[in-house]
Amino acid sequence: SQQGEEDPQALSIQEGENATMNCSYKTSINNLQWYRQNSGRGLVHLILIRSNEREKHSGRLRVTLDTSKKSSSLLITASRAADTASYFCATDGGQAGTALIFGKGTTLSVSS
Amino acid sequence: ETGVTQSPTHLIKTRGQQVTLRCSSQSGHNTVSWYQQALGQGPQFIFQYYREEENGRGNFPPRFSGLQFPNYSSELNVNALELDDSALYLCASSLRPTSYEQYFGPGTRLTVT
Repeated sequence: SQQGEEDPQALSIQEGENATMNCSYKTSINNLQWYRQNSGRGLVHLILIRSNEREKHSGRLRVTLDTSKKSSSLLITASRAADTASYFCATDGGQAGTALIFGKGTTLSVSS
Repeated sequence: ETGVTQSPTHLIKTRGQQVTLRCSSQSGHNTVSWYQQALGQGPQFIFQYYREEENGRGNFPPRFSGLQFPNYSSELNVNALELDDSALYLCASSLRPTSYEQYFGPGTRLTVT
């Protein structure tokens, strides 16, 4: 079963604009991760935020986590055409290791 | 450092047949997890192997089975294929079972007709 739900399901923006994707989850977590998937291929790890963190940055990525609302957001600033991909949040369901529990993803399209 | 590799890239099988998918983990990683990703969905956890033993299983029937070898490579076997088994199968390796970050291979696209 899916743990997280990403919102929106699809997002289309122009190059240079910012893209914001949201994720909600159901159970307690130790951490939440964001992954990118290009054209139905393998997933690439983007960033991990621990349950005791509220915000984390990595390059053009900014992730926030609100454990009281069981939600997270991923902001990509100054989007590029190469950012076109599907983005998934994944949680550990409160148990270290073993399964990652993914949402259905947000499909981002960045046009030049 | 060698990344996670999977073979084959694509596969077409007939309902009722059996299939074996292969995965080589990233150098230094002793844990392999398998995921099934249906079209338009997020990956769903099938099972994990650590030191050649199953170390956790998702909600998949017993006809999904696996192996891990001493070199930490892994196989996913699916018996009695059904049309709904058509999906992208992803292998992910990690340093150890309690590692949070998993490194994914490119996947095997299985089509069952």
